[in-house]
Amino acid sequence: GNSVTQMEGPVTLSEEAFLTINCTYTATGYPSLFWYVQYPGEGLQLLLKATKADDKGSNKGFEATYRKETTSFHLEKGSVQVSDSAVYFCALSDSGGGADGLTFGKGTHLIIQP
Amino acid sequence: DTAVSQTPKYLVTQMGNDKSIKCEQNLGHDTMYWYKQDSKKFLKIMFSYNNKELIINETVPNRFSPKSPDKAHLNLHINSLELGDSAVYFCASSHQGAVNYGYTFGSGTRLTVV
Repeated sequence: GNSVTQMEGPVTLSEEAFLTINCTYTATGYPSLFWYVQYPGEGLQLLLKATKADDKGSNKGFEATYRKETTSFHLEKGSVQVSDSAVYFCALSDSGGGADGLTFGKGTHLIIQP
Repeated sequence: DTAVSQTPKYLVTQMGNDKSIKCEQNLGHDTMYWYKQDSKKFLKIMFSYNNKELIINETVPNRFSPKSPDKAHLNLHINSLELGDSAVYFCASSHQGAVNYGYTFGSGTRLTVV
């Protein structure tokens, strides 16, 4: 079956620090990969995605590259802000087009201190 | 003009009661989902449904049943509520065959069983 493993937090950084949140996956097919963000008290928002090997997804200064050889999709940001404090979820979807939904990692709670 | 809307946002009820959560999407998607987020923020798919098939996660108790009056709505009905059902429930939608474009989530329903 499919699974996603990501570093569990909380991860605490100072403002303007460099961020990396590791994510690795196992999948039976050729999945699409996603990062979702959940701000306190809110729902899930799509942050970025990649659909094939070596694709780079990017949004709001965050980036992640689909690495098929290492089955990874690590999230990075060069300079974090207090407003980036949230829970970040790595997820995959089997690209076969079936209605299997998303398989999520357990989420990483990110805390940015001023 | 909310894309995926859920009601109610908060639901507090007693053990043994039966309750429903409603979900509507105006994106023209053909597949809808229910996810459960537990107290540790872990997200797990419960159901996916389109006009052709219902896929049920085998770990979901049969007290939970999705009901879809049309492809824009997928309600979640829960019988004989238990304390362990307390969680945040998210509705989501996508277009089957185009899942690479991502899934859109509602803002969640926080269910508290007392």
